[in-house]
Amino acid sequence: SQTIHQWPATLVQPVGSPLSLECTVEGTSNPNLYWYRQAAGRGLQLLFYSVGIGQISSEVPQNLSASRPQDRQFILSSKKLLLSDSGFYLCAWDREYNEQFFGPGTRLTVL
Amino acid sequence: AQSVAQPEDQVNVAEGNPLTVKCTYSVSGNPYLFWYVQYPNRGLQFLLKYITGDNLVKGSYGFEAEFNKSQTSFHLKKPSALVSDSALYFCAVSRTGTASKLTFGTGTRLQVTL
Repeated sequence: SQTIHQWPATLVQPVGSPLSLECTVEGTSNPNLYWYRQAAGRGLQLLFYSVGIGQISSEVPQNLSASRPQDRQFILSSKKLLLSDSGFYLCAWDREYNEQFFGPGTRLTVL
Repeated sequence: AQSVAQPEDQVNVAEGNPLTVKCTYSVSGNPYLFWYVQYPNRGLQFLLKYITGDNLVKGSYGFEAEFNKSQTSFHLKKPSALVSDSALYFCAVSRTGTASKLTFGTGTRLQVTL
């Protein structure tokens, strides 16, 4: 069966510090991968998606970047965090018919 | 462009009563429609999907949803609500075809009380 992992589960970082969040998927190959941000426990904002290694599409201009160094690994990064980067970050992957499966999420607090 | 509307921020229902969480969508062509549930500080869990075929879709935990093409709706329903159903519910749509991204609604918080 397929599983998706995210780490860390929670993170508290000072403004201006770097960020690296990792997402890995097991049990499937060549998945589409997605990074979402959820603010205040409500709507999801799609940040990045990837259809293959090294292929990243950005949905909104922001302080973040994404990379896909391996088929089942998706990394969300920032060189300098802003207060507005705080939120709940969700990684997801999909298979046929666009049914997405979500990881457990990372709660990021920027102070 | 595709979009999803969940017109209710919150739905309140007593345990044992039927529940409905509303969703309408806009997409060019035939839609794929999904419902997800989110418990506090957790990722989204898939509940059910409509791809094609029978307009009434049955999913996890006794939930079902009815696809209505003429009204462009995909309302989530359950005959008898449980307190444990209290959570945040998201409707999502994508356009048929490959590599089509999901568009999510803003979510509806369901509160089931004794």
